[in-house]
Amino acid sequence: GQSLEQPSEVTAVEGAIVQINCTYQTSGFYGLSWYQQHDGGAPTFLSYNALDGLEETGRFSSFLSRSDSYGYLLLQELQMKDSASYFCAVRSSTGGFKTIFGAGTRLFVKA
Amino acid sequence: DTAVSQTPKYLVTQMGNDKSIKCEQNLGHDTMYWYKQDSKKFLKIMFSYNNKELIINETVPNRFSPKSPDKAHLNLHINSLELGDSAVYFCASSQDLVAASGSHEQFFGPGTRLTVL
Repeated sequence: GQSLEQPSEVTAVEGAIVQINCTYQTSGFYGLSWYQQHDGGAPTFLSYNALDGLEETGRFSSFLSRSDSYGYLLLQELQMKDSASYFCAVRSSTGGFKTIFGAGTRLFVKA
Repeated sequence: DTAVSQTPKYLVTQMGNDKSIKCEQNLGHDTMYWYKQDSKKFLKIMFSYNNKELIINETVPNRFSPKSPDKAHLNLHINSLELGDSAVYFCASSQDLVAASGSHEQFFGPGTRLTVL
């Protein structure tokens, strides 16, 4: 089957750096995505990794190690508006290119 | 201007009723999805359609019936609503199924909060 694990909650202070880890189990791995969701809002896409390494987009970076079935999202220079839930999601080529979402990590940014 | 839109935004109804949620995307995407997000924020794929063809039907009760009249629309009809159907339902779209164009991003609609009493 397919499964993802990520921490349920992370707390950090404004200006700090936080890393949200994600480990996954899947067959037919195609890529790992990260989405942000604020309370009452819709998930919005942050990044996608298909190959090993680091992808940087502004203050956010995402890393993938396919051999370790592991990825992380790195948020730098944290701002209060970064308080949200962050979901890792695995895309698998089996079962119709399904995207399976993790349970989400709730990030609290404190002043 | 809205990329993916859903109606209604809120739906409150009695057990046993039948209801529909509509979704439209103006992005020219080939693939559309329905997700269910429960009270614990767990986001689960229900259906995906590619060029109006059903690709994924993720062990959803057959009380749920999606319909895609064209590539830009994917509606969800729910019969005989149950208490456990209460959730937020998100429609989403992506360029295509295999991201051949290189874009893997899924664009989500604003969600429909369904409450079954």
